[in-house]
Amino acid sequence: AQKITQTQPGMFVQEKEAVTLDCTYDTSDPSYGLFWYKQPSSGEMIFLIYQGSYDQQNATEGRYSLNFQKARKSANLVISASQLGDSAMYFCAMREVVTGNQFYFGTGTSLTVIP
Amino acid sequence: GAVVSQHPSWVICKSGTSVKIECRSLDFQATTMFWYRQFPKQSLMLMATSNEGSKATYEQGVEKDKFLINHASLTLSTLTVTSAHPEDSSFYICSASFRGGRQAFFGQGTRLTVV
Repeated sequence: AQKITQTQPGMFVQEKEAVTLDCTYDTSDPSYGLFWYKQPSSGEMIFLIYQGSYDQQNATEGRYSLNFQKARKSANLVISASQLGDSAMYFCAMREVVTGNQFYFGTGTSLTVIP
Repeated sequence: GAVVSQHPSWVICKSGTSVKIECRSLDFQATTMFWYRQFPKQSLMLMATSNEGSKATYEQGVEKDKFLINHASLTLSTLTVTSAHPEDSSFYICSASFRGGRQAFFGQGTRLTVV
């Protein structure tokens, strides 16, 4: 079974609007971390936001927020006030504490911000 | 934040030759390093995980004799693509984490083209 599922291969958003990128995960580990990374065309992976499985509140980092719904095993990324520079691939990832090491990545969502 | 430097950022080599890619953690001790391969418009595929001082753990289907990984120090891991062929052309990216750390920090990636 897929550990991380991103069902939106491509998304478009108007500049200055908000957009939600979906991510669901599958784990039996009670302790895990969820991450979102941005990958522009240059290829580098840019860390955006982190949510721990025991965190009570949804994580926020500037214009990024993570809508964490533990019972549904979803960790959607919300980007507010989209900018042209937000156009990139976005990857959701999970790291299980018990198994320790490996990061599991989703297939990614390509976001295009339209002026 | 922690910095991981990957070198070279791009390389072109002739078929049959070997190529070495370096991944350095500049301001922390990387107890674990990960090597990924990424095809265009696809997700990161984990190739191997290496812990300092021990042999790398390769993912199923990754040829350990072809993709040699060395993690000889806490700040350096190398990936050597031996006897490269055009089908080895890809984007290779490393990431590093430290003991107790929750996230992994990525290098800039290396675009390998075998001609």
